[in-house]
Amino acid sequence: QVQLVESGGGVVQPGRSLRLSCAASGFTFSSHAMHWVRQAPGKGLEWVTFTTPDGNTQSYADFVKGRFTTSRDNSKNTLYLQLNSLGPDDTAVYFCARDFTAKYTVDYWGQGTLVTVSS
Amino acid sequence: QSALTQPPSVSGSPGQSVTISCTGTSSDVGSYNRVSWYQQPPGTAPKLMIYDVSDRPSGVPDRFSGSKSGNTASLTISGLQAEDEADYYCISYSGSYTWVFGGGTKLTVL
Repeated sequence: QVQLVESGGGVVQPGRSLRLSCAASGFTFSSHAMHWVRQAPGKGLEWVTFTTPDGNTQSYADFVKGRFTTSRDNSKNTLYLQLNSLGPDDTAVYFCARDFTAKYTVDYWGQGTLVTVSS
Repeated sequence: QSALTQPPSVSGSPGQSVTISCTGTSSDVGSYNRVSWYQQPPGTAPKLMIYDVSDRPSGVPDRFSGSKSGNTASLTISGLQAEDEADYYCISYSGSYTWVFGGGTKLTVL
């Protein structure tokens, strides 16, 4: 079955960086586009970024403003999210999610990893 | 990329029907039949309930249905059950490989 397992979250000081990982299994990772979605504590879901199956094209939400970078290693079935210049508003659970091919939405989600930005 | 507008909360008694609206703009909901709905019980990952405005993934009960008119999409849950109590989110494709979520709606089953 499809499994997405995020890791790399933790407590980080404002202005610092963090790299999240998402290990995929149960499907052909290299055939699927992928997303990152985040959810601040007690708040709603917020789409963050998308990358195509080959990793050659990415898109980002406006609030990212060049601070985040998504990438993937299809040989390792792993998706990454590099978070730079973090601020308190970036505190959230970050979910890795599989793109539902040709349906322009997400079908499977990981359980998320919590990033807390605090001094 | 402004969030889609959903009512903060809705409620209904078992067996009743409830409808959750999701209002966007001509740049997202109004331009694409690519609206999906997710169910998220507390502390869990979201689950896809509706995609492409009104299609259901396998395993989702037909009590869940979706529709769209202009810039507003809607999710209707009929025959409400206690297990339906959760947060519900809409999401729309908004072009150029970008997406926008709604603010979420808390469904309470009375």
